[in-house]
Amino acid sequence: AQRVTQPEKLLSVFKGAPVELKCNYSYSGSPELFWYVQYSRQRLQLLLRHISRESIKGFTADLNKGETSFHLKKPFAQEEDSAMYYCALSGKGEAAGNKLTFGGGTRVLVKP
Amino acid sequence: NAGVMQNPRHLVRRRGQEARLRCSPMKGHSHVYWYRQLPEEGLKFMVYLQKENIIDESGMPKERFSAEFPKEGPSILRIQQVVRGDSAAYFCASSPGRVGEAFFGQGTRLTVV
Repeated sequence: AQRVTQPEKLLSVFKGAPVELKCNYSYSGSPELFWYVQYSRQRLQLLLRHISRESIKGFTADLNKGETSFHLKKPFAQEEDSAMYYCALSGKGEAAGNKLTFGGGTRVLVKP
Repeated sequence: NAGVMQNPRHLVRRRGQEARLRCSPMKGHSHVYWYRQLPEEGLKFMVYLQKENIIDESGMPKERFSAEFPKEGPSILRIQQVVRGDSAAYFCASSPGRVGEAFFGQGTRLTVV
């Protein structure tokens, strides 16, 4: 069975400090991994997907197949990064579609 | 493009009543996904539909829950004889095909009293 684990429910950091959100997964195969973000009173939106290997809003995430992890990192957190972050997994290929398995979410609070 | 529209945003039902949640996908999107988020938990997949077809309903409870996505009109998630445990936020997402980014609606918060 596929599973996504986000061990931290809340991360509180000061503005300018580095932030790392942990995500571990279990999946028998090669999954696609995503990070979604939900800002206050807004809808869930895609932040990053591992296949695109890009940096969005200063965030990066590297897929580590050996450790089955997809941690999200930003070297200098900003107050506008305060939000709920969800790690998600999808099976590869058209059959899986966009059926996503989500972690429980991590709330990030960036203090001034 | 208005994005994925869900209504109502908030729905209160008494135990035993029916709840109907609607999702209008983004223009040009023919694939719809429903997710449920219980308090203090992540989103859980319920059902994946394409126009007039259920592709994957592996996350749907066996009883009282049904979903449809007709040729015309929004996708409907229907919960019959609601119980307190059905209280949750229900999110809909749509995508243009089986692959490609899925866009989420703002959710419907169902409260069963």
